[in-house]
Amino acid sequence: DAGVTQSPTHLIKTRGQQVTLRCSPKSGHDTVSWYQQALGQGPQFIFQYYEEEERQRGNFPDRFSGHQFPNYSSELNVNALLLGDSALYLCASSPRDAGRREKLFFGSGTQLSVL
Amino acid sequence: AQSVSQHNHHVILSEAASLELGCNYSYGGTVNLFWYVQYPGQHLQLLLKYFSGDPLVKGIKGFEAEFIKSKFSFNLRKPSVQWSDTAEYFCAVNPYSNYQLIWGAGTKLIIKP
Repeated sequence: DAGVTQSPTHLIKTRGQQVTLRCSPKSGHDTVSWYQQALGQGPQFIFQYYEEEERQRGNFPDRFSGHQFPNYSSELNVNALLLGDSALYLCASSPRDAGRREKLFFGSGTQLSVL
Repeated sequence: AQSVSQHNHHVILSEAASLELGCNYSYGGTVNLFWYVQYPGQHLQLLLKYFSGDPLVKGIKGFEAEFIKSKFSFNLRKPSVQWSDTAEYFCAVNPYSNYQLIWGAGTKLIIKP
């Protein structure tokens, strides 16, 4: 059973460009959350998707947007990249009917470098 | 703003030493509490969690944590560490009213063999 898979694993972009990161949740999971982890810090919540809608959003600008597909996979899009967007982007999924309290299963992340 | 504070960024211990990693949070309402661990080269995984009931919770690999509501703390403990416990440990809080986890900055634990 595959866990949470993210692609690509590494990405290098330049300022002003746009990027799309992808996530496939663990089998049986329907909720996907995205986190940004800057070097030396803990993850910061970007948003969560459930039933193809953004259910909650963290303190991130509108340049960060997302999507969830009918198969529960998800994309994170970042427009007009800034140097400060350089970070590890983590996707986490949680199982159906678990509500907000169940543990998260994390992918290995996408390391984004903005030059 | 809600925040989570982990007291030590780096901890170095010898094998068989006892471990306590501190975690404090700032949120006045009901919370769910978590410790996650990231072993070298691996993804984040849950170590233990507290939702309600007995404030002393036991997790995998001999870890335990105690929730002290009056101190807004959820410290992680292990009586005797092993070299394989070398990892980064994150404390996280889920305010009961929403879906996000608020994370501490992490503690890098190195166990000397």
